[in-house]
Amino acid sequence: EVQLVESGGGLVQPGGSLRLSCTASGFTFSDHYMDWVRQAPGKGLEWVGRIKNKAVTYTTEYATSVKGRFTISRDDSSNSLYLQMNSLRTEDTAIYYCTRGVVRTGFDPWGQGTLVTVSS
Amino acid sequence: DIQLTQSPSFLSASVGDRVTITCRASQGISSYLAWYQQEPGKAPKLLIYAASTLQSGVPSRFSGSGSGTEFTLTISSLQPEDFATYYCQHLNSYPITFGQGTRLEIK
Repeated sequence: EVQLVESGGGLVQPGGSLRLSCTASGFTFSDHYMDWVRQAPGKGLEWVGRIKNKAVTYTTEYATSVKGRFTISRDDSSNSLYLQMNSLRTEDTAIYYCTRGVVRTGFDPWGQGTLVTVSS
Repeated sequence: DIQLTQSPSFLSASVGDRVTITCRASQGISSYLAWYQQEPGKAPKLLIYAASTLQSGVPSRFSGSGSGTEFTLTISSLQPEDFATYYCQHLNSYPITFGQGTRLEIK
């Protein structure tokens, strides 16, 4: 079964940092691009960023709202995806989903999400 | 950035109805459009990709069409499990963006 499981969410103060993890199973993780998508409470979906695979030198892309603050990385040896979030703002409060991205096709599957709350 | 505008934002319908949701892009995106369904408290689920290709396992009552700047998602005969929120997404370029969502509720 193809599965993605996120972890690492929690409560953090504005200006703080947090690192999310996503562990993949059931598919060849190293072959695929991986994405992070977030959803603020009661709001719609917002793409956060992408990390490509080794074939394209693990290139990353980011949404304008997080560029320079968030960093996506991966460890193919442990089938893991990461999201390092720095300089967190209250507007970063959201459920963060990891998902497998297929170029110009779509995101499937999705993890169950992990909640990040930025508040003092 | 490419903006996606869905209409309507809210739709009330009955079991058995045929419904259509529209997604308009602020510039041409060829057929690089996907549709997702999200039930309350759950992660989104991919329904359609490449504007009109049904994802494996998705019921055939769902269909998609369009290219360029205008796209539609149609549910031919609503079932109780279809009442959810639907999002379109473009994958033409970066940044990838989503529409604001269409909430489909039972009349």
